[in-house]
Amino acid sequence: NAGVTQTPKFRILKIGQSMTLQCTQDMNHNYMYWYRQDPGMGLKLIYYSVGAGITDKGEVPNGYNVSRSTTEDFPLRLELAAPSQTSVYFCASSPLGSGGEDNIQYFGAGTRLSVL
Amino acid sequence: GNSVTQMEGPVTLSEEAFLTINCTYTATGYPSLFWYVQYPGEGLQLLLKATKADDKGSNKGFEATYRKETTSFHLEKGSVQVSDSAVYFCALSDQGAGRRALTFGSGTRLQVQP
Repeated sequence: NAGVTQTPKFRILKIGQSMTLQCTQDMNHNYMYWYRQDPGMGLKLIYYSVGAGITDKGEVPNGYNVSRSTTEDFPLRLELAAPSQTSVYFCASSPLGSGGEDNIQYFGAGTRLSVL
Repeated sequence: GNSVTQMEGPVTLSEEAFLTINCTYTATGYPSLFWYVQYPGEGLQLLLKATKADDKGSNKGFEATYRKETTSFHLEKGSVQVSDSAVYFCALSDQGAGRRALTFGSGTRLQVQP
């Protein structure tokens, strides 16, 4: 069982470039999340989704966009990359709303992004 | 708003030593509490959880008790191994309607030496 899969694992961007971080899960979870992890810090919520077609902002949404056209996929888009977006990005999913009541989240291995 | 405070690391211990990592929280209502572990190069994975006051979560020799009176959820292990070297995150679950996101502490790096 693959769980939550993120691609790419590493990426270097130049200032002003765009990219999409991919996230897919095969557990049929309704809830999905994007977090960023800065050095020495906890994870901060960027965007989340409670089901296909429904997304909403988290704590630090500026500079990012998301879409959720299917239950499985939840891509994160950076439109104009800035050095402040250098971070490790984690996608997670949760069985909340699809039979599971505990908010246990399942994480991907992360994408390490550097903006230079 | 919700917040989680963890003791700063790194924590360096010898194998078979006793481990405590402190975690306190601020939350409205009655959150669920979690410990997640992050091994090098990997994503976070759930270590243990507790959903109500006085519950004790346990897994792989680790334990933590939900203390509502002290708003704490300290992680303990009686005898650590080199393989326990990782970053440990305390987290709480926002019980409000909607996003149900996790609020994380800043993480505590544990290094266990042979």
